[in-house]
Amino acid sequence: AQSVTQLDSHVSVSEGTPVLLRCNYSSSYSPSLFWYVQHPNKGLQLLLKYTSAATLVKGINGFEAEFKKSETSFHLTKPSAHMSDAAEYFCVVSMNTGFQKLVFGTGTRLLVSP
Amino acid sequence: EPEVTQTPSHQVTQMGQEVILRCVPISNHLYFYWYRQILGQKVEFLVSFYNNEISEKSEIFDDQFSVERPDGSNFTLKIRSTKLEDSAMYFCASRDRGSPGWAEAFFGQGTRLTVV
Repeated sequence: AQSVTQLDSHVSVSEGTPVLLRCNYSSSYSPSLFWYVQHPNKGLQLLLKYTSAATLVKGINGFEAEFKKSETSFHLTKPSAHMSDAAEYFCVVSMNTGFQKLVFGTGTRLLVSP
Repeated sequence: EPEVTQTPSHQVTQMGQEVILRCVPISNHLYFYWYRQILGQKVEFLVSFYNNEISEKSEIFDDQFSVERPDGSNFTLKIRSTKLEDSAMYFCASRDRGSPGWAEAFFGQGTRLTVV
């Protein structure tokens, strides 16, 4: 079975500084990995996805993530945080076969201060 | 851009009542899902649906829950007799197979269900 661990429940950064949200996954097969963002009282929006193509994936709003199989990690980064980045971020794993469901991590709340 | 739509956005119901949450997935998608998020907690899988039948369900999805796709466009989640602990945000999602690997799931904006 697949699972996801988000190592930090909260991350606080200052506007203009780098963002790092950590995610480790466990999967028996070649996984697909996603990062979704949820702004307060909003739905889930896809930031980026890895589906066995390039290991460095670029997403919307300047975010990117690198798939590292040897470390079973898929950390999310952004060079410079913006106030509008404050939200809950979910790392999500799915197997590449069958009708596999998405399995969510527990989420990381990103706080951005001026 | 195509999107998944859910109605209603908010639903308040009395304990023991039946509720139906409605979703219109993206038209050419083949796989459909319901997830829920209790306030302050993680997003939990409820059920997946393909080819007019349930393909997988979680322990949460007991006999009080059912899903159907009655007319080829709507995808509904029914809770027969609501409990206080059913209060949550319910998300519908749809997905096409995509290539390579799996495409992302597109989520609706959610229905906030409050059981009183």
